[in-house]
Amino acid sequence: DTGVSQNPRHKITKRGQNVTFRCDPISEHNRLYWYRQTLGQGPEFLTYFQNEAQLEKSRLLSDRFSAERPKGSFSTLEIQRTEQGDSAMYLCASSSRTNSPLHFGNGTRLTVT
Amino acid sequence: AQTVTQSQPEMSVQEAETVTLSCTYDTSESDYYLFWYKQPPSRQMILVIRQEAYKQQNATENRFSVNFQKAAKSFSLKISDSQLGDAAMYFCAATTSGTYKYIFGTGTRLKVLA
Repeated sequence: DTGVSQNPRHKITKRGQNVTFRCDPISEHNRLYWYRQTLGQGPEFLTYFQNEAQLEKSRLLSDRFSAERPKGSFSTLEIQRTEQGDSAMYLCASSSRTNSPLHFGNGTRLTVT
Repeated sequence: AQTVTQSQPEMSVQEAETVTLSCTYDTSESDYYLFWYKQPPSRQMILVIRQEAYKQQNATENRFSVNFQKAAKSFSLKISDSQLGDAAMYFCAATTSGTYKYIFGTGTRLKVLA
């Protein structure tokens, strides 16, 4: 169990630029989640994959956000035309079964200037 | 809709003492699961303890235990013999069999005083 890996750890970008984050889940986990966390708040659900299928997406997620999980392994989260309000910690988590505990990565901290 | 509420933004405890963190939840589902997660400063979130709603017995993990009051929809975390390493943000979370989402509370910052 090498844990959930997220890259990069930090990303600073200018408003209007596109950014992409990567998440490598625990290898035997077929469930993968993206969450967003702002200062003083709990993680907010963004999207969920079971294998390569994106089964749920938050209504709060604008069209500028897209996530993929090709071949059911790693996942990417892309934010297009970034805005200052996108500044947050983006967390990835994986699990092996429904309702089992989530295993989190260290997160990617995005700062939009 | 499923909600999780943590009403204590910050708590302090003296080293070696006991502290209880509060959490209430709301769900219309009968099959659900509750969790406490710990997030140390600048470190990843890790599971502290888990409780299945169908189990009447309160979960325990070493110095950590829960007080699960199903009728009151309350799920508090008790930390005994507090240690400096317990200082962190603690998040309560819930999920149900009818959804893929895990809903988190806003967290409680625990300070441990030497």
